[in-house]
Formats: sequence, structure tokens, C-alpha cells
Amino acid sequence: SQTIHQWPATLVQPVGSPLSLECTVEGTSNPNLYWYRQAAGRGLQLLFYSVGIGQISSEVPQNLSASRPQDRQFILSSKKLLLSDSGFYLCAWNRGRETQYFGPGTRLLVL
Amino acid sequence: AQKITQTQPGMFAQEKEAVTLDCTYDTSDPSYGLFWYKQPSSGEMIFLIYQGSYDQQNATEGRYSLNFQKARKSANLVISASQLGDSAMYFCAMREGGSGTYKYIFGTGTRLKVLA
Repeated sequence: SQTIHQWPATLVQPVGSPLSLECTVEGTSNPNLYWYRQAAGRGLQLLFYSVGIGQISSEVPQNLSASRPQDRQFILSSKKLLLSDSGFYLCAWNRGRETQYFGPGTRLLVL
Repeated sequence: AQKITQTQPGMFAQEKEAVTLDCTYDTSDPSYGLFWYKQPSSGEMIFLIYQGSYDQQNATEGRYSLNFQKARKSANLVISASQLGDSAMYFCAMREGGSGTYKYIFGTGTRLKVLA
């Protein structure tokens, strides 16, 4: 069966510090991978998606970036965090047109 | 323009009763998919049910059913015999387009509280 991991689970970072969140998927190959952000009490905002190694599509221009160095690894990064980057970050995967399956998420608080 | 609309920010239901969560969508694409997810307080997103735009019958998964009214562009989630454990946020989502399209759009969610 497929499993999706995210770490860290919780992160508190000062404004201006860098960020690296990691997502890995097990039990499947060539998945589509997604990064979402959820502000407190809000819906999900798609940040990036990737259909293959090195292929990244950005949905919202901001100070975040994503990379896919391996087939089942998706990384969300920032060089300098802003207060507005606080939120709940969810990684998801799917194959083709089917439903997405989500990881456990990372709660990020920028102070 | 908002493509997924959930008009109920919060609602209550009595245990063992059926509850309907509303979702309307907007698309001009003939091929699309509609999804419902449950998000408990832990934050994980749990897939509940899927309806394809060409599916002739409403989707059902256990106590969950999707009331798909294509002409009205609505995809309401019906939970039969609600349980206390159904208390959570519920999100409606849509994937537009056929093969080669990978983007999903989410509504703002409905917070359901089931009362004993």
C-alpha cells in the first residue's frame, strides 16, 4: 500500500530564516505530487505541483519554491520566511485523474 | 470567480440523523471530477468520496453519498446516520479537465458538529 510522509510535523521559525519541508511517498512510482497551504480556519491553497522529476509548476507567486530531486520526493523551501508563511502545509500525491491522498501535514509558525 | 462554493461555514447535526453538506461548482469543462474530504482536528485530509462528471449514478461509500445534480452544478455530501466521530471540517474539491490536467480546487469548507 502507498504511504506518504511529511516532516517535520511542527516547526517554529523566526522571520527571515530559511525553510525546508520534505515529503516522500512510498509504494508507488511516478506520482503527481502537490504542496498545499492551509491558513487557520481556511481552505487549501495549491502552491506547487509536479508531474515528474525536476518538473515544477507554481500556482501562486510568493517567496516559496519547490523541488523534486527524486521520483518520490518533494521539497518545499524558502530562503527567507515571512510572517504570512505561517500555516499548515500539506503534501499530496495521486496517479492520473484519481483522488489525491494527503500526508499528515506540517504546522509552521513564523514568529 | 470562485469555482467551488460551500455556503455553510458551520452546522450542527443530531446524532443518528442524516446531514447534507452543500457544494456548488462552476466549470465549462465537460470532463471533471468532484471530491469530498474530511479533516478532523488532527489536520489530516481523509478522502471520502468521488464523482466523475460522466458517471450516471450518484457515488456512494458506506454512510457517505454524493447527491450529484449536474444541471444545477451541485455535489452535496450526504452523511446518513451521523456519528459523534463525524464532527470535523469537510471540504469539497474539483479537478477540471481530462488527462494532462492535475490541478484541484478546494472550497472553504464546512465545520460539522454532531451532537449527542
